[in-house]
Amino acid sequence: EAGVTQFPSHSVIEKGQTVTLRCDPISGHDNLYWYRRVMGKEIKFLLHFVKESKQDESGMPNNRFLAERTGGTYSTLKVQPAELEDSGVYFCASSRNRGLGQFFGPGTRLTVL
Amino acid sequence: QQQVKQSPQSLIVQKGGISIINCAYENTAFDYFPWYQQFPGKGPALLIAIRPDVSEKKEGRFTISFNKSAKQFSLHIMDSQPGDSATYFCAARRHPGGGRSGGSNYKLTFGKGTLLTVNP
Repeated sequence: EAGVTQFPSHSVIEKGQTVTLRCDPISGHDNLYWYRRVMGKEIKFLLHFVKESKQDESGMPNNRFLAERTGGTYSTLKVQPAELEDSGVYFCASSRNRGLGQFFGPGTRLTVL
Repeated sequence: QQQVKQSPQSLIVQKGGISIINCAYENTAFDYFPWYQQFPGKGPALLIAIRPDVSEKKEGRFTISFNKSAKQFSLHIMDSQPGDSATYFCAARRHPGGGRSGGSNYKLTFGKGTLLTVNP
């Protein structure tokens, strides 16, 4: 069984630019989560999809962040326009059941200059 | 406000020793406590998890001890090996609760992580 994959692994952009991160969950996992770890801080929840529906987006920092999961398969997280404080590692996770056994991808390291 | 506090921030242990990482939480609605292990360049991987109805869970060299009254839980790594060197995160999740979809509280709340180094 293939794991959660994320693309790109690294992204370096300038302040004000747009970046789109992609996550492919494990096949058959209806639940998809986005998390972020800013350097030196804890991994923080951003949002949770069940299939194509946003179940909980309470962790999204502001309206510069837009997550989609069209068709209930892969998901994208767009940051527009990017700010310096958006730098960090963005993790995607998926699970078959309700929250238990969340499987994480390798993350996308985003650097905003 | 950090809901899950993890200590120490870093830990150095000799091969064969016991590694102990502690976590404390405030929210009594948490009902699932996983530990994740992360190697450089990889994502966090679920290591072991416990529910508050038991005080201890053991899987191989890894043991979670849980103290519900103190709202604390810890990870013990027995016979620590250099291959155990990684960052360890404790986490907690609330009971999903009710609602149309069975609730939405599936998000994990993490501690800040502990960088474990096991010297050969």
